[in-house]
Amino acid sequence: KAGVTQTPRYLIKTRGQQVTLSCSPISGHRSVSWYQQTPGQGLQFLFEYFSETQRNKGNFPGRFSGRQFSNSRSEMNVSTLELGDSALYLCASNLPGNDYNEQFFGPGTRLTVL
Amino acid sequence: DAKTTQPNSMESNEEEPVHLPCNHSTISGTDYIHWYRQLPSQGPEYVIHGLTSNVNNRMASLAIAEDRKSSTLILHRATLRDAAVYYCILRAGFSGGGADGLTFGKGTHLIIQP
Repeated sequence: KAGVTQTPRYLIKTRGQQVTLSCSPISGHRSVSWYQQTPGQGLQFLFEYFSETQRNKGNFPGRFSGRQFSNSRSEMNVSTLELGDSALYLCASNLPGNDYNEQFFGPGTRLTVL
Repeated sequence: DAKTTQPNSMESNEEEPVHLPCNHSTISGTDYIHWYRQLPSQGPEYVIHGLTSNVNNRMASLAIAEDRKSSTLILHRATLRDAAVYYCILRAGFSGGGADGLTFGKGTHLIIQP
C-alpha cells in the first residue's frame, strides 16, 4: 500500500507570495492532518480535515488555510508569506474510529521563504 | 493534552538495549501513551502505544508505571537505524471520533554509537 505522498518536496518563495501544498493520504484514510516543523517551535499542529470538513485547528493565523476534496486529498495554503513561515510542512493521515488513531506521516514539503 | 517530560538526548551503543524515559505526572485516566520517532529527513512514524499494561510489538516495548505517571520505551537491541528523535505523547482515548492533533514536545534525541 502506498504511503502518504506530499508535493512538492521542496519549494522556494519570496515574502508576500502565497503557496499551495498538496497531500495524498493512504488509500482508505479519510482524515488528514497538517503540521509545521521548525527548529525553534518543533512540530506544531495546524489543522485536521475529515470528509471535506475542518474538524480541528491549531493556533495559527488565518493566513494558513486548507481544504479536503471528496477523494480525501488535501491542500494547505499559506497567503502573504513571511520569513518565519520557512519550515517543513508535514501531512498525516489516519483511519478515524479506533482508540489510538495512529497517524501516518508523509515525507513533508520543505518551504523556504526568502 | 497533558504535558510530558523527556531528556533532551541519550546515547547508547549499537546492539545494546536502550531505555527512553518519559514523565507524565498529570496524565488522566483516559489518556493513551503514544511514542513516535522521527528519523533524519523523514516524517514522524508511529512506534507503539499503551494505556495501562506493558506492550510489545516488532519495533519496541512500552513499560508503563503502575501509577501511570511515567513510562519507558525500550529498544531491545539498538541499531544505527534507530538513531532518531523519540517523542512521548499523550492522547485522549475515544472511539468513533476524529483525530485531534498530536502535541509534540521536544523529544529525546537518541544517538547510537557503532
